[in-house]
Amino acid sequence: DGGITQSPKYLFRKEGQNVTLSCEQNLNHDAMYWYRQDPGQGLRLIYYSQIVNDFQKGDIAEGYSVSREKKESFPLTVTSAQKNPTAFYLCASTPSGEKLFFGSGTQLSVL
Amino acid sequence: GIQVEQSPPDLILQEGANSTLRCNFSDSVNNLQWFHQNPWGQLINLFYIPSGTKQNGRLSATTVATERYSLLYISSSQTTDSGVYFCAVGGYKLSFGAGTTVTVRA
Repeated sequence: DGGITQSPKYLFRKEGQNVTLSCEQNLNHDAMYWYRQDPGQGLRLIYYSQIVNDFQKGDIAEGYSVSREKKESFPLTVTSAQKNPTAFYLCASTPSGEKLFFGSGTQLSVL
Repeated sequence: GIQVEQSPPDLILQEGANSTLRCNFSDSVNNLQWFHQNPWGQLINLFYIPSGTKQNGRLSATTVATERYSLLYISSSQTTDSGVYFCAVGGYKLSFGAGTTVTVRA
């Protein structure tokens, strides 16, 4: 089936630890995005990538890093510099900057 | 950045009722989309509608770009329509509103 797969569904981070969230799509979409959602709020853009080997910071990039080595993959690393990482993380993709499609999300919590 | 305001913040409906959700935005945009987030967190794209009117079943949307607002209409609401509705605007980067939480009661 075509779609966007995020893993894991739930993730726990210890103090001082880096964790990586996976996002894979088999839709052949060029652009991919990472959003953060806090309870009761809208989505805020962390990073986005329009083509392989290129990515740009969004509105809240501090404490996060990404890579785009393959068209189908856009992993997000939450570093120890991110002091308030507990949130729901959503990956999205679009073929041409029009309709945006989302994965099912990863809930990150701090131990 | 672009400011996006959605109203009302909360809406409680009886099954079968009709409703209108509004999205105001602060600047010209060439991309506007409506999403529904279900209780399990999954976001579904309802409409890509930078201007004009579109319909999909019981849902329809209208964007008046020159006046910087968009409306989402839900007709004959069902309990499965419950969830949070988001408006997102911009260009390549989308800015999301805070959402309208809709609860449809049987």
